[in-house]
Amino acid sequence: GIQVEQSPPDLILQEGANSTLRCNFSDSVNNLQWFHQNPWGQLINLFYIPSGTKQNGRLSATTVATERYSLLYISSSQTTDSGVYFCAVWTGKLIFGQGTTLQVKP
Amino acid sequence: EAGVAQSPRYKIIEKRQSVAFWCNPISGHATLYWYQQILGQGPKLLIQFQNNGVVDDSQLPKDRFSAERLKGVDSTLKIQPAKLEDSAVYLCASSFDTGELFFGEGSRLTVL
Repeated sequence: GIQVEQSPPDLILQEGANSTLRCNFSDSVNNLQWFHQNPWGQLINLFYIPSGTKQNGRLSATTVATERYSLLYISSSQTTDSGVYFCAVWTGKLIFGQGTTLQVKP
Repeated sequence: EAGVAQSPRYKIIEKRQSVAFWCNPISGHATLYWYQQILGQGPKLLIQFQNNGVVDDSQLPKDRFSAERLKGVDSTLKIQPAKLEDSAVYLCASSFDTGELFFGEGSRLTVL
């Protein structure tokens, strides 16, 4: 089956710093989503991005489907950005990566 | 617009007992999913419904897990008998078609 790999697995930032999270996938996909899992465990939709670039406030995402990767950019990070970030790809069902755990320190 | 509703939020049981989780999807969403998330891992699909029919249950441990969506709206996931390794968060999600998924807050199960 398709493999979804996220990097880095863990990331510690100082408040105000920028970061880039990467998601590689091993086969063609129909769509891709980025989620933020908050400390209470809920998965919050960030982007639905099969291809191209989208921006929402301090967050933006780019998917290059032909090269099988997606990037999530977080600018001017805040402590509330802490949590686990998942990418998930659709191949008839939604397959998740293992996540990137982000800690933003004040 | 109301989101995906799940209950209970937390459940603690002893091994070999049974437990049931309930999910109400976003209104109008035909597709409903149950995922299992073990601590430190990404969510794993257990079962996918399209209306009241099963699309994919290939990773559902059918000897102890069952799920139904009788009227094509609400769904129930049952575990009987529970094992220690079933301790996890059970996430329900829904989508209008097979596009963007929206998740509920999850039901956290602890098996002692």
